[in-house]
Amino acid sequence: EVQLLESGGGLVQPGGSLRLSCVASGFTFSNYAMSWVRQAPGKGLEWVSSIVGSGGSLYYADSVRGRFTISRDNSENTLYLQMNSLRVEDTAVYHCAKHPAPYEILTYYPLWGQGTTVTVSS
Amino acid sequence: DIQMTQSPSTLSASVGDRVTITCRASQSVSSWLAWYQQKPGKAPKLLIYKASSLESGVPSRFSGSGSGTEFTLTISSLQPDDFATYYCQHYNSYSPTFGQGTKVEIK
Repeated sequence: EVQLLESGGGLVQPGGSLRLSCVASGFTFSNYAMSWVRQAPGKGLEWVSSIVGSGGSLYYADSVRGRFTISRDNSENTLYLQMNSLRVEDTAVYHCAKHPAPYEILTYYPLWGQGTTVTVSS
Repeated sequence: DIQMTQSPSTLSASVGDRVTITCRASQSVSSWLAWYQQKPGKAPKLLIYKASSLESGVPSRFSGSGSGTEFTLTISSLQPDDFATYYCQHYNSYSPTFGQGTKVEIK
């Protein structure tokens, strides 16, 4: 079964750090670009970051650029999001999402994980 | 960034109704538009991509149309499983954005 499973969320103080993970199964992970998309409580969806299959090209939303870093370990079928200098407005459920093709960055998301919750509060 | 605006924000309908949701882009996105369905506590589910292409496994009562700046998602005969929130998403740039969502409620 093709699936994505996120972990690593939790409660952190403003200014703190967290690293999210997304383990993929059921498909050849290295063949697909991946993204993180978040959803603040009661709000809509916001694209956060994307990475191509090789890990060689990275893309970020303006709201997180310079604070968040996307990466992947294709040998472990795992996508990461390192989040530093966290702000209250980063509070959200963070979903990882699979792209339909390896180098297709400008695209839709046919597969999503259930998400992991990040709460930034003092 | 391209802004996506959905209307209405909330829609009350009955089983069997034909339902139409509109998504407008602040500038042309050609046909690079997707629609998703989301239920509470669940991940979004892809329904439509490239404005009118039906994702595999999605019932044929869902259809999409439009290009440029105006798009519609139509549910031809609303079923009990369709009560959910629907989002449009453009992917015409390296900063994809979503609409604010349309909640379809039971009338």
